[in-house]
Amino acid sequence: ILNVEQSPQSLHVQEGDSTNFTCSFPSSNFYALHWYRWETAKSPEALFVMTLNGDEKKKGRISATLNTKEGYSYLYIKGSQPEDSATYLCAFPPGANSKLTFGKGITLSVRP
Amino acid sequence: GAGVSQTPSNKVTEKGKYVELRCDPISGHTALYWYRQSLGQGPEFLIYFQGTGAADDSGLPNDRFFAVRPEGSVSTLKIQRTERGDSAVYLCASSLLGGSSYNEQFFGPGTRLTVL
Repeated sequence: ILNVEQSPQSLHVQEGDSTNFTCSFPSSNFYALHWYRWETAKSPEALFVMTLNGDEKKKGRISATLNTKEGYSYLYIKGSQPEDSATYLCAFPPGANSKLTFGKGITLSVRP
Repeated sequence: GAGVSQTPSNKVTEKGKYVELRCDPISGHTALYWYRQSLGQGPEFLIYFQGTGAADDSGLPNDRFFAVRPEGSVSTLKIQRTERGDSAVYLCASSLLGGSSYNEQFFGPGTRLTVL
C-alpha cells in the first residue's frame, strides 16, 4: 500500500508568520511529486510538479523543495496572508502513469 | 479560458437511488480522471480515461460504479444503488496528455454527493 503522509494535519497562524509543511512519500521508484492548494468552494489548484532530487520551485511567497532519496518534500509560505487559508495537498504517482495518490492534506488558517 | 466544470455542484439522493455526475474537461485535454474525497481523507483515485477508453479503472470500489467518456470529452460517472458510504466530494480532473506522472492535472470544483 502506497502511503503519502502529510504533517501537521492543521495549522493556525497569525498573518505575517511563515509556515512550512511536510509531505513524506516512499523513496523507492520515485516519479514525481505534486503540490495542490484547495480553497473552500473552489477547485484544487496545482502549485508545483517536482521531478528531480534537490528541486526547488517558487511561486510568489510559496516555495517547495524535494528530497527523493529520503522521501520528503517541504512547502514553505513566507509571510502568510489570510488569502493563503486553504488545504494544501501533496500527491504522488505510484507508477509511471498519471493517476495520483494523495495525502490527507494540511488545513492552514491564517488569522488577520 | 474555461476550466474544468462539474455538474451538479451538489446532489442529495436517497439510499438505493441511481445518480449521474457530469464532468466537462478543458477543451483539447485528452486525459480525464475521477477522484473522490471522503470526509477526513485526501482525494482517492477512481478511474482514468485516455481519449474514449478507460486506461485504468482500478480505483472503482465495486460494480455499482461505472464511468463513460463516449466522445473523448465529457465524462459521466454513474453510481447505481447508492449507499450512505458513497457520500463524498467527487472530483474530476483533466490534463493535456495522459500517461505521464508529471503532467499537471486541472481540477473541477467537485460534486458533493450526499446519500441519505
